[in-house]
Amino acid sequence: KQEVTQIPAALSVPEGENLVLNCSFTDSAIYNLQWFRQDPGKGLTSLLLIQSSQREQTSGRLNASLDKSSGRSTLYIAASQPGDSATYLCAAGTGGNNDMRFGAGTRLTVKP
Amino acid sequence: GAVVSQHPSWVICKSGTSVKIECRSLDFQATTMFWYRQFPKQSLMLMATSNEGSKATYEQGVEKDKFLINHASLTLSTLTVTSAHPEDSSFYICSASLPGNQPQHFGDGTRLSIL
Repeated sequence: KQEVTQIPAALSVPEGENLVLNCSFTDSAIYNLQWFRQDPGKGLTSLLLIQSSQREQTSGRLNASLDKSSGRSTLYIAASQPGDSATYLCAAGTGGNNDMRFGAGTRLTVKP
Repeated sequence: GAVVSQHPSWVICKSGTSVKIECRSLDFQATTMFWYRQFPKQSLMLMATSNEGSKATYEQGVEKDKFLINHASLTLSTLTVTSAHPEDSSFYICSASLPGNQPQHFGDGTRLSIL
């Protein structure tokens, strides 16, 4: 069964810092890996989707990488802003229905 | 494109009530829909996977008689929490996908509070 772990559980940084969020998964047979943002009490906002054949995806200040062999993905956020404060979830898509298994998330706080 | 609508967004009801949550794919036909539950400060846990026209597949530990899932059309799946109790209070999120292991598209979630 796929297990997804995110480290750290919480992170607080001053505005302007570059930061890296980590995600690891136990089963490398994934179809894709996706990073989401979740604001308190809200649904999920998809940030980046990396297909299993890809190594990375970029969108604005965000860059996500995928290393299937080591079971790891990272989300890099450049020049962080207070508006980036949220919980970031990674999810690995596996199985016949592309079942998504989520990590517990990293709660990010960017201080002005 | 690929919009998923979930309704209602928030519901408060008394213990013992049954509550139905709808999940609709607005601009595509979803062969597969997924239901997740999220307790406060925890991650999303997959409850069940439903394929149009067939019975849902429930994850271990999820009571199928408690959480009734119907996926009667390619654009609508419903989750009914039967005889809800306070411990069923949670955030329920659905997602839908096209065939062929395509990415899932998520609804905005339903916050269920049982008094």
